[in-house]
Amino acid sequence: QQQVKQSPQSLIVQKGGISIINCAYENTAFDYFPWYQQFPGKGPALLIAIRPDVSEKKEGRFTISFNKSAKQFSLHIMDSQPGDSATYFCAASMSGTASKLTFGTGTRLQVTL
Amino acid sequence: DADVTQTPRNRITKTGKRIMLECSQTKGHDRMYWYRQDPGLGLRLIYYSFDVKDINKGEISDGYSVSRQAQAKFSLSLESAIPNQTALYFCATSDKTVSYEQYFGPGTRLTVT
Repeated sequence: QQQVKQSPQSLIVQKGGISIINCAYENTAFDYFPWYQQFPGKGPALLIAIRPDVSEKKEGRFTISFNKSAKQFSLHIMDSQPGDSATYFCAASMSGTASKLTFGTGTRLQVTL
Repeated sequence: DADVTQTPRNRITKTGKRIMLECSQTKGHDRMYWYRQDPGLGLRLIYYSFDVKDINKGEISDGYSVSRQAQAKFSLSLESAIPNQTALYFCATSDKTVSYEQYFGPGTRLTVT
């Protein structure tokens, strides 16, 4: 049972464009939604995270938009750069003793010149 | 030096062999995790440990076992490797107060022939 659905599987964006990756979740007990970035040959690394009481969080060129009623959240990368080419994973977690991450299936982003 | 290290980085083994993947961390975190990554499936949790005496199964623990030898060491064993265990394996750690922020090792690429 996939609790966090992520799309698209792959994405090609021109340099300077906006990259958008979408995720949807089912379990309303999730209360933290991080995004991880993974470069080839490396482990994932936390990029940005949001709590459901906030509709948007921005860090530099990266923005998370959160829609609690639709149970959806998305990552927007503004002014995409070739260095942003990586695989992006959305995730969800619940606070408390069972606090572990459930990951989406990943989006491979390629930013072309 | 890397905060989370994994050995070996690459391993080719035959069906039926026992293999151990090792993880060490210098972050001082109590919580450690083992994931496997497969194309199109994202990161799936195999086992997790909240401290040396607290080990829990994740969503895909069948065919795997773990040992938490110390706060800093968490190993994953495949008792009798099979080809569908061919994957990229990641160890991760987190602080108990910020469990959604996990720090990943560089991964071990395992091939079972």
